Amino acid sequence: DIQMTQSPSSLSASVGDRVTITCRASQGINNDLAWFQQKPGRAPKSLIYAAYSLQSEVPSRFSGSGSGTDFTLTISSLQPEDSATYYCQQYYIYPLIFGGGTKVEVK
Amino acid sequence: EVQLVESGGGLVQPGGSLRLSCAASRFTFSTFGMSWVRQAPGKGLEWVATINADGSEKHHVDSVKGRFTISRDNARNSLYLQMNSLRAEDTAVYYCARVWSDGKFDYWGQGTLVTVSS
Repeated sequence: DIQMTQSPSSLSASVGDRVTITCRASQGINNDLAWFQQKPGRAPKSLIYAAYSLQSEVPSRFSGSGSGTDFTLTISSLQPEDSATYYCQQYYIYPLIFGGGTKVEVK
Repeated sequence: EVQLVESGGGLVQPGGSLRLSCAASRFTFSTFGMSWVRQAPGKGLEWVATINADGSEKHHVDSVKGRFTISRDNARNSLYLQMNSLRAEDTAVYYCARVWSDGKFDYWGQGTLVTVSS
């Protein structure tokens, strides 16, 4: 099975900061990588698919990059409503695997 | 907007069974794959199962193979997860999600809680 390693596991940043979360796959997954945002007590929300394509109505401050095994989610200017846990997911091959999550706190 | 509404969760004893349902609306259900994803209390997301648009292909995570079965009824716009031989470690919120043909997820339901305890 492919392993998905996210880092950091948590971070704290101020409003307006640029935030970067990384996700590393244990083997190449083409660009079949998605990012999700989950707020406490809520269902996950899809942010990015195919490594860098934004889902509809996702703010442009969110962006994705990378290919092969190393991927990045960037929030260009952190907003208070971005406080959440973020997960990457590979959908290249079964079993589908999520990363362990990155909890983002907005100071 | 797309709607996915899960139901069927509850408290069940170890070894028991439950069937979860996911009612889909506001899109052409029969043209999309669907998945179940679960989240144990305080833990991360875990993929459980995926079924393709016509129900001919199914995939399950190893930990539920032989116990859980994903299915769908396109005439009823509904997705199901039959869960047998339930264990304490199956305790989680179960979400259904819509899946495109390239594998990407987009819409998720609000989730239904399954608690396995005596």
